Amino acid sequence: VQLVESGGGLVEPGGSLKISCAASGFTFSDSTMNWVRQASGKGLEWVGHIRSKSNNYATVYGVSVKGRFTISRDDSKNTTYLQMNSLKSEDTAKYFCTRRSYRVGAALDYWGQGTLVTVSS
Amino acid sequence: QSVLTQPPSVSGAPGQRVTISCTGSSSNIGANYDVHWYQQIPGAAPKLLIYVNTNRPLGVPDRFSGSRSGTSASLAITGLQAEDEADYYCQSYDSSLSAIFGTGTKVSVL
Repeated sequence: VQLVESGGGLVEPGGSLKISCAASGFTFSDSTMNWVRQASGKGLEWVGHIRSKSNNYATVYGVSVKGRFTISRDDSKNTTYLQMNSLKSEDTAKYFCTRRSYRVGAALDYWGQGTLVTVSS
Repeated sequence: QSVLTQPPSVSGAPGQRVTISCTGSSSNIGANYDVHWYQQIPGAAPKLLIYVNTNRPLGVPDRFSGSRSGTSASLAITGLQAEDEADYYCQSYDSSLSAIFGTGTKVSVL
């Protein structure tokens, strides 16, 4: 199993950025994919998730990003995306892609290495 | 969004036993949602350590154990080793199916 995030970088406040997570080694289309972020020196914060096609690609978001961030997926490319709009300085963090697995009771069993998003002028 | 409360830090000498508490509420752990634990070495991604309150994934040493009762959960490390120095996070869910993380605990080996 491998999860590889990409697309992070520097963006100005109020701007937008779309980051990606390419998955391999498991049946991506059946999996619920999550995004979790971590500001430097701080704890983990759940951003949101997207479920599989059989669950209508349902999404749920954390309160701090709801209405600004959108999670999507392309099962043909084994990739999930996080579209971030109206970015604020407090969105500066490393963003991790992670898989939720019912094999381990809905725990997050595999994590990527993360991509850094910096919101600054 | 609810938060799970953990002590900021715990420490112990090599070989000792340390425990980390994770305090929730009736809307998350107390609503019978399972608790999972993650270990994060500085600079690395989190790693699943305990799932469904008490279970260890393959490869996790048996010196790590978890428990859950009421609105709280605990992680115990027995026979503390230098390599256990890391940050530890509990995680559960709430009624909106949002994942929630604990505030994190830094374990130091004296």
